[in-house]
Amino acid sequence: DGGITQSPKYLFRKEGQNVTLSCEQNLNHDAMYWYRQDPGQGLRLIYYSQIVNDFQKGDIAEGYSVSREKKESFPLTVTSAQKNPTAFYLCASSIVWGGHYNEQFFGPGTRLTVL
Amino acid sequence: AQSVTQLDSQVPVFEEAPVELRCNYSSSVSVYLFWYVQYPNQGLQLLLKYLSGSTLVKGINGFEAEFNKSQTSFHLRKPSVHISDTAEYFCAVSDRSGYSTLTFGKGTMLLVSP
Repeated sequence: DGGITQSPKYLFRKEGQNVTLSCEQNLNHDAMYWYRQDPGQGLRLIYYSQIVNDFQKGDIAEGYSVSREKKESFPLTVTSAQKNPTAFYLCASSIVWGGHYNEQFFGPGTRLTVL
Repeated sequence: AQSVTQLDSQVPVFEEAPVELRCNYSSSVSVYLFWYVQYPNQGLQLLLKYLSGSTLVKGINGFEAEFNKSQTSFHLRKPSVHISDTAEYFCAVSDRSGYSTLTFGKGTMLLVSP
């Protein structure tokens, strides 16, 4: 089945530790995205990548880092510089096709709790 | 840049009653509009989208939405809700470049009770 996988579903870390969230897609999509979701805040864009080896900051990139070494994979690292990392993290992907609509497909999410 | 306002954070409704979830957007350019649904602890699923053409858009699970350009609105409606419609609903907007990211509203929690 084609889709987006995020692992793990639940993740616990101690304050001050970096943690990496996994996102893999087998949809052959060019673009991938990371969102953060907090209660009552909707989804806010952290980083996105439209092509391998290139990525752009979203609205709330501070304290996060990403890499895009392979088309299928877009891992997100939550660093110790992120002041309030506890949240639900969603990964998405889409085709990139200028001038056309590109639906974003979402993974099931990872809930990160920093203790 | 675009912005989205979902006017209600929670909408309680009884089963089989009609419901409307409100969404207004702001943009200096023409946009695409979307409604997504999120069940607890899951990712988002696309309900429906407005790209062009008819302003009344039908989606999955019996939902529909109407694009009103003059009022910059894209309200979601369902004539008769089920318990299983209990979820959070997000309105989103993007520009028409094809390279744009999505801007989401803060969400509306639909609570359906028997």
